[in-house]
Amino acid sequence: GAVVSQHPSWVICKSGTSVKIECRSLDFQATTMFWYRQFPKQSLMLMATSNEGSKATYEQGVEKDKFLINHASLTLSTLTVTSAHPEDSSFYICSAAATTGEKLFFGSGTQLSVL
Amino acid sequence: QKEVEQDPGPLSVPEGAIVSLNCTYSNSAFQYFMWYRQYSRKGPELLMYTYSSGNKEDGRFTAQVDKSSKYISLFIRDSQPSDSATYLCAPRRGGSEKLVFGKGTKLTVNP
Repeated sequence: GAVVSQHPSWVICKSGTSVKIECRSLDFQATTMFWYRQFPKQSLMLMATSNEGSKATYEQGVEKDKFLINHASLTLSTLTVTSAHPEDSSFYICSAAATTGEKLFFGSGTQLSVL
Repeated sequence: QKEVEQDPGPLSVPEGAIVSLNCTYSNSAFQYFMWYRQYSRKGPELLMYTYSSGNKEDGRFTAQVDKSSKYISLFIRDSQPSDSATYLCAPRRGGSEKLVFGKGTKLTVNP
């Protein structure tokens, strides 16, 4: 199947710093990428939809100024958690949709811990 | 009512058992029904998906959708310890790639 690479797999940072997470589709072009957050024993909650070359669409309750999304090419989307706080500690996962077909493929996730 | 309801379990079965995992949903606009498997601290992996009502079989896995009752099922035959994971149902509307995830059911298959 298609491969989506996500880096880093885990990151620990101090409160107030910013963290960037990358999501790359390795063997297909993705016009649309999605960013999710997952708290322990909870389901994946969609944060935002990222479209190549345009502004991301954020779900209700997600602060767009805090979670900056950039989708500069058909194979790369980045999520930057700005001024991270302990409550932002979570498992962040990206997914990518190929330009054709109905399947979504997921990255391996990033565990963010904010001290 | 949540759009997708899934019993989080946990569900523990002996090796070789038949496993039944289920979800209900409320949005009649859903047309595609995905099942993902997620190992601890990893991204979900697509197992299989069905379009509209009906059955789909892939090896030991069978997915069923009953749109009249808004009920989604995944059956695992001859379950193996390597099947131990969290299984997430995720329906979506046609023309959209936005998935709505259930909470996931944690399955443990004991050798």
